[in-house]
Amino acid sequence: SQKIEQNSEALNIQEGKTATLTCNYTNYSPAYLQWYRQDPGRGPVFLLLIRENEKEKRKERLKVTFDTTLKQSLFHITASQPADSATYLCAHRDNQGGKLIFGQGTELSVKP
Amino acid sequence: NAGVTQTPKFQVLKTGQSMTLQCAQDMNHNSMYWYRQDPGMGLRLIYYSASEGTTDKGEVPNGYNVSRLNKREFSLRLESAAPSQTSVYFCASTQLTGGNQPQHFGDGTRLSIL
Repeated sequence: SQKIEQNSEALNIQEGKTATLTCNYTNYSPAYLQWYRQDPGRGPVFLLLIRENEKEKRKERLKVTFDTTLKQSLFHITASQPADSATYLCAHRDNQGGKLIFGQGTELSVKP
Repeated sequence: NAGVTQTPKFQVLKTGQSMTLQCAQDMNHNSMYWYRQDPGMGLRLIYYSASEGTTDKGEVPNGYNVSRLNKREFSLRLESAAPSQTSVYFCASTQLTGGNQPQHFGDGTRLSIL
């Protein structure tokens, strides 16, 4: 079955540093990956989509990479701020009905 | 623009009771979804509706039923609630099931079954 895995351990970093979150997938090669942000008590909010042929995509302080050889996507937040503290989810479409499969999310905490 | 609206926000039920979770979207999206989110498990798809008039099972459909009332509304029903259904339930919508469109989520219903 298709699996998508994220580091379940919370990531704690100092304000101003770069946060790097990892998303690994197995048993399937998706054409693209999506990244979402989820704040406590709220639903996930879409951040970025990267296609398999894009390798890297940026949006303001966010950068996503997609390595189809390693079957991995990295999500970077540069110059991190306490307001970036949240849980970040990655997701990809399955190979049948086009439904999204989500990772379990990684909690990021940025300390001032 | 409200996006995806879920009601109620919180609910406590006793084992065996029934209830319906409501979801409505105002983005004219074709596809709607119901997920549950449990600690360490991530989001798991319960049911989805690719378009008005169709519904299909997701990963964890047992114990649930759905109704796509019209293009805007998609409800989730627990006929006989069990403690294992204690969870946070999210509704989402997107223009189409396939493709690369992002999903838009509501803020969830927090359901406790005693």
